[in-house]
Amino acid sequence: DTAVSQTPKYLVTQMGNDKSIKCEQNLGHDTMYWYKQDSKKFLKIMFSYNNKELIINETVPNRFSPKSPDKAHLNLHINSLELGDSAVYFCASSQGPAGRTDTQYFGPGTRLTVL
Amino acid sequence: ILNVEQSPQSLHVQEGDSTNFTCSFPSSNFYALHWYRWETAKSPEALFVMTLNGDEKKKGRISATLNTKEGYSYLYIKGSQPEDSATYLCATYNDYKLSFGAGTTVTVRA
Repeated sequence: DTAVSQTPKYLVTQMGNDKSIKCEQNLGHDTMYWYKQDSKKFLKIMFSYNNKELIINETVPNRFSPKSPDKAHLNLHINSLELGDSAVYFCASSQGPAGRTDTQYFGPGTRLTVL
Repeated sequence: ILNVEQSPQSLHVQEGDSTNFTCSFPSSNFYALHWYRWETAKSPEALFVMTLNGDEKKKGRISATLNTKEGYSYLYIKGSQPEDSATYLCATYNDYKLSFGAGTTVTVRA
């Protein structure tokens, strides 16, 4: 049983397209996150949601829009894809409201390649 | 230190040997330090969460210490085994988010 799952695992698309990455967690957690692993391998927070409410929006272009239909799902929609969006995107979840000791559980990542 | 820094970037250790590496972070406004282990082709998995100066945590052959006054944490692997090969990430907590270092990649040679 996968705790945090993401689909698709790989996504190859053309510049200018719109795409979505889906994330689901079956842990009953209240908080979900999206991270981008940049070219230097750093995991950088993009967004986090607690009980479907946005709590972090970390200076991400407006082309990126997270959507949380319920607290078990946090999808990432990207409009007008650019070459620089190519990266690995990770979803994560935690039980508490993003508190300082809340352990985060990560999904397997989605490798996005924009051509 | 302005950001989370980890050193070395990578290291090789012979099976059975012990090793350690460093996570440095800003010592002001410290709330918590997280260690994660990230095996190739898998997801990062939590190892430890540390909050108090002088904290020591242990999980099997892996342990960590924390010095919040000087802004560093050490992670130790005792008697390294091939299954310890992974990238070890540390992250500080602030404002509802974790800020990660780039990781130390450990390769254990049989």
